[in-house]
Amino acid sequence: AQSVTQLDSQVPVFEEAPVELRCNYSSSVSVYLFWYVQYPNQGLQLLLKYLSGSTLVKGINGFEAEFNKSQTSFHLRKPSVHISDTAEYFCAYSGGGADGLTFGKGTHLIIQP
Amino acid sequence: DTGVSQDPRHKITKRGQNVTFRCDPISEHNRLYWYRQTLGQGPEFLTYFQNEAQLEKSRLLSDRFSAERPKGSFSTLEIQRTEQGDSAMYLCASSHPGLAGEETQYFGPGTRLLVL
Repeated sequence: AQSVTQLDSQVPVFEEAPVELRCNYSSSVSVYLFWYVQYPNQGLQLLLKYLSGSTLVKGINGFEAEFNKSQTSFHLRKPSVHISDTAEYFCAYSGGGADGLTFGKGTHLIIQP
Repeated sequence: DTGVSQDPRHKITKRGQNVTFRCDPISEHNRLYWYRQTLGQGPEFLTYFQNEAQLEKSRLLSDRFSAERPKGSFSTLEIQRTEQGDSAMYLCASSHPGLAGEETQYFGPGTRLLVL
């Protein structure tokens, strides 16, 4: 079965510092990977996605992620975080077809002033 | 584009009661998904519609859960004989036609259910 592992449940970072949120997925023939952000009391918003092609994917709000097939990873990065980035971040996987997305448990990004 | 809307946003019910949630997708989206999110977990896929056809329902949590999309527009998720373990956030998402699995799913704000 498909699975997504987010290794850190919480990541505290000082404002304007860089951050990396880690995500690993179970291997499959085809894989589509997504990062979503969830602000308190809101639905999920897509940050970026990897379908094919360049392994470095740029998203909204200055986030980017790198697909690494050999390490089955899709880590999310931002060079300088802001207080407004405080939220829950979810990595998700699709193997294609109509099975919906498989999500990780999420990483709570805490920005400290 | 008004986004995906869900109603109600919050629901409190007593154990054993039936509840129904509604989801209105983005108007041109023909795919609609339901997910459940419990505290401290990521969303868990429940079921999927393409137009009015329910193409995947094996992941519904029990036979107390059912979903419909009668005219291929809005959808309802019903839970019969609710249990305290059903307390969760229920999320709806919709997507534009494209290759299955690749398309971006747009999520609604969710319905938070509390079963007493």
